[in-house]
Order: sequence, then C-alpha cells, then structure tokens
Amino acid sequence: AQTVTQSQPEMSVQEAETVTLSCTYDTSESDYYLFWYKQPPSRQMILVIRQEAYKQQNATENRFSVNFQKAAKSFSLKISDSQLGDAAMYFCAYSTGANSKLTFGKGITLSVRP
Amino acid sequence: DTAVSQTPKYLVTQMGNDKSIKCEQNLGHDTMYWYKQDSKKFLKIMFSYNNKELIINETVPNRFSPKSPDKAHLNLHINSLELGDSAVYFCASSQDLVQASSYNSPLHFGNGTRLTVT
Repeated sequence: AQTVTQSQPEMSVQEAETVTLSCTYDTSESDYYLFWYKQPPSRQMILVIRQEAYKQQNATENRFSVNFQKAAKSFSLKISDSQLGDAAMYFCAYSTGANSKLTFGKGITLSVRP
Repeated sequence: DTAVSQTPKYLVTQMGNDKSIKCEQNLGHDTMYWYKQDSKKFLKIMFSYNNKELIINETVPNRFSPKSPDKAHLNLHINSLELGDSAVYFCASSQDLVQASSYNSPLHFGNGTRLTVT
C-alpha cells in the first residue's frame, strides 16, 4: 500500500524568508503523481503544485517549487519570499495512474511571522 | 459560480440520528469523491464514483451510503450517527483519472461540511 509521510507537524518562517516542507512516500509503482495542497483556516483545499513522476524536471509555480528525488522517494516543497497569506496547513498527496484517489500525508502547519 | 458545492456547511446533530450531505459539481466531471478529515486533520478518501458507478469504497462502515443520482451529484447519507463520525467531510470531483486532468486543478474540492455529533 502506498503511504505518504510528513514527519514535521509544524514549522515557522519569517516573512520574506524561504521555508522547505518535507514529504516522503512509499510506493512500488513507477507511474504516479505527487501534489501539495494548502488548507488555510477557511478550510478550503487549494492545489499548490503537482509533479508527474516521469518528469525529471522539478515543478515550479511562482514562489512555490518542489525538490523531487524519485530514488529517495522524497518530495519537498520550497516556499520562497514567504507571505503572511502562506500560513496554513500543507498536505502532501500521492496518486497512481491505476485509480484516481489521493493518499494524503498528515499535514504540516506553517506559521509565518511578520 | 461555485464549481463544487456541498450543503450544509455546518451540521450539528445527536447520536443515533440519520443525516445527509449533498454535493453538486458544475464542471462536467465524470468522477466524484467523498473525503473525511478527522479531528487531527487527517484526510482520507471514503468513496469514489465514476459516471454514477461506485469505484472506490475504502472500508467505510455500512452506515455511510453514498448515492449518485447523476454524474453531477454525489450525496452522502449517514445512518445512526455516532460520536466518532464528527469530522469535516469534503466532496471533490475530477475529470476522470487524476493524471489525465489538466494541471490547473486535477481535483476540485468543495468547501467541506463540518459535522458535529453530540
């Protein structure tokens, strides 16, 4: 069974600084997809970034980028120039091509200090 | 226009009652889901329907019965509510398989229904 592990329950970053959120996963599949979702206090689930396992290039989306290490099964999220609005829970998630369900990690609470 | 809408937003009820949560998506997606987020914020899939057919049932108690009258709707009915059912329930939809979807948002979530059982 696939598992997603986020070992850090919470992190804090100074506004305008950079922070990296860790995620590891376990799978025997070769074709899969990885995601980072943001959940602010409003409870809404917002897709931050997505990575296809077959792509070697790390995904980037404005201030958000990932460090995808396929051999190590690691998928960390880097947030540059942190903003107060980045404060939220962040979930790492995994999906295979066999079905469409997402398996989530336990999430990490990110706080941003002004 | 809300892409995935679920009602009610909050639901407070007593143990033993039967309640329903409704979900509708106007994205033309084929696949809909129910996820449960417990008090520790852990998110886990419960059900998935594709074109009104059940394709994922993650060992959810029989008291939970999803119903999909058409592919734009997936309702969740819960019988004999228990204290442990208190959670936030998210409806979501996707075009089909996640990897076939466009980048912008392969999975669209509703805003969640906070269910409190007293």
